[in-house]
Amino acid sequence: GAVVSQHPSRVICKSGTSVKIECRSLDFQATTMFWYRQFPKQSLMLMATSNEGSKATYEQGVEKDKFLINHASLTLSTLTVTSAHPEDSSFYICSARDLGVGAYEQYFGPGTRLTVT
Amino acid sequence: AQSVTQLDSHVSVSEGTPVLLRCNYSSSYSPSLFWYVQHPNKGLQLLLKYTSAATLVKGINGFEAEFKKSETSFHLTKPSAHMSDAAEYFCVVSGMDSNYQLIWGAGTKLIIKP
Repeated sequence: GAVVSQHPSRVICKSGTSVKIECRSLDFQATTMFWYRQFPKQSLMLMATSNEGSKATYEQGVEKDKFLINHASLTLSTLTVTSAHPEDSSFYICSARDLGVGAYEQYFGPGTRLTVT
Repeated sequence: AQSVTQLDSHVSVSEGTPVLLRCNYSSSYSPSLFWYVQHPNKGLQLLLKYTSAATLVKGINGFEAEFKKSETSFHLTKPSAHMSDAAEYFCVVSGMDSNYQLIWGAGTKLIIKP
């Protein structure tokens, strides 16, 4: 149980275009989802926390107009990178919290590698 | 505020020898602590977690960690390393905000020598 999927796993886009990444909890309801960014050989950096039905809370330094997060249902959150630039190239990871298991644990998606050319 | 420090950026051991990955935490409250592993080009996998039950926590793949409040440590150990253990390991503490955000260590790369 507690599986989180992400789609796509890899995406290459041209500079100036927008890219949408989906994060789904497959077998549980996730009232809270988290979006992380990971640069090569570095730890995860929390970008934003998304609660179903409300606006996402962004961490300091993360541009909310550039990284649009929507959490419209208990099983789906999306991250849209708008007007992507090469510096947005990174590994994006989502996670979901399963209230049925316990408040503390998050389940992670496999990640999406974004390359902006 | 919570924080976590992984004391080694790289650890190199020979196959069959013990593994020790060190982690110290800082927390104003009784923390929840986790170890995650990330293999190259793969997703994060939870190895084990401590949530105020037994202080010695056993995880998957033969790993275990001991919560030591007096030392504010949560070191990860394994008696005998396998080549398949080569990966990045993250020590994580759960924050106490309403969303229980995770606070991540910088990671330790475990290298296994044949």
